[in-house]
Amino acid sequence: GAGVSQSPSNKVTEKGKDVELRCDPISGHTALYWYRQSLGQGLEFLIYFQGNSAPDKSGLPSDRFSAERTGGSVSTLTIQRTQQEDSAVYLCASSLEGRGDTDTQYFGPGTRLTVL
Amino acid sequence: SQKIEQNSEALNIQEGKTATLTCNYTNYSPAYLQWYRQDPGRGPVFLLLIRENEKEKRKERLKVTFDTTLKQSLFHITASQPADSATYLCALNPIFGNEKLTFGTGTRLTIIP
Repeated sequence: GAGVSQSPSNKVTEKGKDVELRCDPISGHTALYWYRQSLGQGLEFLIYFQGNSAPDKSGLPSDRFSAERTGGSVSTLTIQRTQQEDSAVYLCASSLEGRGDTDTQYFGPGTRLTVL
Repeated sequence: SQKIEQNSEALNIQEGKTATLTCNYTNYSPAYLQWYRQDPGRGPVFLLLIRENEKEKRKERLKVTFDTTLKQSLFHITASQPADSATYLCALNPIFGNEKLTFGTGTRLTIIP
């Protein structure tokens, strides 16, 4: 497809379970970002991948959160032992070069995670 | 502490009038600032970017200003239409040379016919 896609669109899980969220960026985009958006909150940066460089993980809220980007394309965000406060919309974005002053971040539709 | 504030959670404007949204930041010196539009159930969509050395940027009915002395950006929609109703987010890079963005909480704009 032409845009960023994410799956699943909705995920309901029980507290303590692990979840995996997937992001397919726009083909050819070297930069990929994960954000979290909670009700009434702004987007919270989680992690940033740029090419073959080590990812910037500075936004991950705890060691229960991890992300991978395989082959410079698809990315998976994993949340282990989910907690109710993890409930949010998880958004993925990609950009051509990761140059925030020249290229645009394109966002996917998000995955709405609900932890019961 | 570092903070980005958008003037209000919700703003109602009569159709045809100019809508003005405010983004204030403290304790940042961003190289650029971006504005996004977000519709319910969808991801944000990029609208405009303005750099620290630019005072104003325009795109069709949209205008953005950037005052680094006041640490403020204004986002204007002229001749507003009901289709402009959405949440508008400002975002900036908190650290020069670092491309991750910090977002404000957004202003939900409703254009009343």
